[in-house]
Amino acid sequence: ETGVTQSPTHLIKTRGQQVTLRCSSQSGHNTVSWYQQALGQGPQFIFQYYREEENGRGNFPPRFSGLQFPNYSSELNVNALELDDSALYLCASSAGGGGNYNEQFFGPGTRLTVL
Amino acid sequence: AQSVSQHNHHVILSEAASLELGCNYSYGGTVNLFWYVQYPGQHLQLLLKYFSGDPLVKGIKGFEAEFIKSKFSFNLRKPSVQWSDTAEYFCAVMTSGTYKYIFGTGTRLKVLA
Repeated sequence: ETGVTQSPTHLIKTRGQQVTLRCSSQSGHNTVSWYQQALGQGPQFIFQYYREEENGRGNFPPRFSGLQFPNYSSELNVNALELDDSALYLCASSAGGGGNYNEQFFGPGTRLTVL
Repeated sequence: AQSVSQHNHHVILSEAASLELGCNYSYGGTVNLFWYVQYPGQHLQLLLKYFSGDPLVKGIKGFEAEFIKSKFSFNLRKPSVQWSDTAEYFCAVMTSGTYKYIFGTGTRLKVLA
């Protein structure tokens, strides 16, 4: 069974640029959630995708957007990068779908640095 | 707004000492509760979870947690820590009808050999 994978591992961008982060969910999982973990903080929920639709969103601006593909993999896109976007971005997959209390399995994260 | 508080940000213990990490949440309805651990250089892993039933739940590696509804708490315990328990521990809450974790800020545990 393959776990959650994310790419790239590290990324350096400059202010104003755009970035795309990728996530492959664990086998058998159809739901993907994205979290932002700033240094010294706990992960903060960005949004969740279930059956290719956004299923819920945290307190993040519209320049944070995502996609889920038919194979349940997902992308997180961030436009007009700001310095405060520097963080570890975590992807988590789960089975069952939105509103389900199923455990989420986390990937290793992508470390984004914005200069 | 719903929130999760972990009062101990840094804890240093000697091997064989007992551990208790506090977690309190603010939400009056039904919750599901989790403790995750992040070992150095590794990703978040589930230690234990509470959905319903016995409020004392046992997880991996000898960890346990007790859900006390009246205190809105879900404290993590281990009777005797090992050097390999050095890690960051996160408490998380999932409220009824939602699908997202609300995480605490984490507790960094260092166990001295």
